[in-house]
Amino acid sequence: SQQGEEDPQALSIQEGENATMNCSYKTSINNLQWYRQNSGRGLVHLILIRSNEREKHSGRLRVTLDTSKKSSSLLITASRAADTASYFCATDARGGYQKVTFGIGTKLQVIP
Amino acid sequence: DAGVIQSPRHEVTEMGQEVTLRCKPISGHDYLFWYRQTMMRGLELLIYFNNNVPIDDSGMPEDRFSAKMPNASFSTLKIQPSEPRDSAVYFCASSLGWTSGYEQYFGPGTRLTVT
Repeated sequence: SQQGEEDPQALSIQEGENATMNCSYKTSINNLQWYRQNSGRGLVHLILIRSNEREKHSGRLRVTLDTSKKSSSLLITASRAADTASYFCATDARGGYQKVTFGIGTKLQVIP
Repeated sequence: DAGVIQSPRHEVTEMGQEVTLRCKPISGHDYLFWYRQTMMRGLELLIYFNNNVPIDDSGMPEDRFSAKMPNASFSTLKIQPSEPRDSAVYFCASSLGWTSGYEQYFGPGTRLTVT
């Protein structure tokens, strides 16, 4: 079963706007990661947030984690056409650091 | 570093044939993962290795699937006999484990079509 589930499944915005994607999960975690997948390519790691962190930034990316709600959000600010991709959250499980479960992804389209 | 290398990039085969997918992880990485991605089921972990030893193969769909890692620089995923429902993109990924925060580096994938 899916540990992480992203919402929305698809998102279309204009270039320059912000994009927010959400991830919900079911069991306690050690870390939560976000990955990007361009069409026809493998996944690329974007950012990791640990269970004791609440917010993390990397360039135009901002990730938040609310362990009480078992949810995370990924914000991409000032989006660009090159941000068009699918975005996945990946969660491990306490006691199982290496085995991560990927959600179904959010397909983001940024219109120039 | 060239990153994770997978071969072939595309494979078209007939039902019943044996298929072997290959992966070369990033040098120095001690974890290797095999995933399968389909529209219906998303990205599924099939098996992962640590220091060439299979740790968790609970995601392997059935006995037709087998994976090996004879050394730190090579792994194979074999399907015998193949079936049309095995059609998917198969990804290999590697990681350093806790020293890198568990970040996984993915290969470009092998698109398998079984007719």
